[in-house]
Amino acid sequence: GAVVSQHPSRVICKSGTSVKIECRSLDFQATTMFWYRQFPKQSLMLMATSNEGSKATYEQGVEKDKFLINHASLTLSTLTVTSAHPEDSSFYICSATLHHVGSGEQFFGPGTRLTVL
Amino acid sequence: GENVEQHPSTLSVQEGDSAVIKCTYSDSASNYFPWYKQELGKRPQLIIDIRSNVGEKKDQRIAVTLNKTAKHFSLHITETQPEDSAVYFCAAGLGGSEKLVFGKGTKLTVNP
Repeated sequence: GAVVSQHPSRVICKSGTSVKIECRSLDFQATTMFWYRQFPKQSLMLMATSNEGSKATYEQGVEKDKFLINHASLTLSTLTVTSAHPEDSSFYICSATLHHVGSGEQFFGPGTRLTVL
Repeated sequence: GENVEQHPSTLSVQEGDSAVIKCTYSDSASNYFPWYKQELGKRPQLIIDIRSNVGEKKDQRIAVTLNKTAKHFSLHITETQPEDSAVYFCAAGLGGSEKLVFGKGTKLTVNP
């Protein structure tokens, strides 16, 4: 149980275009989903916290108008990278926590490798 | 906010030896401390976690210790195997649906 999927797993796009990444909890309802960015050989950097039905909370330094997050249901959150540029190329990973269970464990998706040309 | 420091950044051991990775945190309110293993290009996988009401937890070859007074926690892997080679991340948070702050990671290499 507690499986999180992400789609797509890999995407290559041209500079200036927008890319949408989906994060789904497959077999549980997720109170909260988190979006991370991970550059090569670096740690996971939290971008934003997403709660179903409310606006996402962005970490300091993360542009909310560039990284649009929508958490429309307890099983789906989307991250849209708008007007992507080469410096946005990274590994984007989502995670989710279980609804009504206060363990704190985060279940991670497999990640999306974004390459902006 | 919370700040998590992790050491060492790289660790190389011989198969069968033990490996220890240490983390410190800054926020005394943090009460949930997970450890994740991440293989190249893959998702982080939880290997063990500990909460502030417990000082030590063990799962087969893996153990975690927590010293709340000193605000540090450690991962211990005994009888290391080549398949233990990966990057390990510690994290700290308030638990529940609260965010986690991750350490910078330790690249563990177990040499056969």
